[in-house]
Amino acid sequence: GAGVSQSPRYKVAKRGQDVALRCDPISGHVSLFWYQQALGQGPEFLTYFQNEAQLDKSGLPSDRFFAERPEGSVSTLKIQRTQQEDSAVYLCASNRGRTGGEKLFFGSGTQLSVL
Amino acid sequence: GNSVTQMEGPVTLSEEAFLTINCTYTATGYPSLFWYVQYPGEGLQLLLKATKADDKGSNKGFEATYRKETTSFHLEKGSVQVSDSAVYFCALSAISGNTPLVFGKGTRLSVIA
Repeated sequence: GAGVSQSPRYKVAKRGQDVALRCDPISGHVSLFWYQQALGQGPEFLTYFQNEAQLDKSGLPSDRFFAERPEGSVSTLKIQRTQQEDSAVYLCASNRGRTGGEKLFFGSGTQLSVL
Repeated sequence: GNSVTQMEGPVTLSEEAFLTINCTYTATGYPSLFWYVQYPGEGLQLLLKATKADDKGSNKGFEATYRKETTSFHLEKGSVQVSDSAVYFCALSAISGNTPLVFGKGTRLSVIA
């Protein structure tokens, strides 16, 4: 596609529910990143894929967070047993290369509200 | 670890005023530096970047110079427009490996006619 696509755009979950957030990166982009952006804050790194390999998951806040990119294109971020503190915008970004120093293309994000 | 500190907003300016948004960083080695912008209702997009000391990034009338001696990358524009109203994020990335971008907290700019 023309850009990074994320779905759903908005997600409301009851505390304790599991959610799955989808990211379609730009076709052919090797690197894919997930970020969490709390209200009024900058994006915080969650995890990074190079093709299908998850090379860095140091930013995942707990073992309730899980991400996958099984075929090296579409990625899913799953949050189990959601808590109110998980409420944030979840951003996906991709780039062509294998380092974080290149230009990142961001999706519009999924705004998650946990009630 | 790597970190970015940028001036807190919100910043409110009149059209045609001069803009400076301060950004300083802490990093090991020699990172690449970036300014990203988030317009209302849109995703983050790269505004400009610099990859080594004394480089100047520029785009859409905005400029920022990579200053190693002061570990700074301040964003400037000589004459802002209403359409520049957005949130601006300073960010860095280590040169080597797969280190992800580290962002500042963002500075909201409002330009009034």
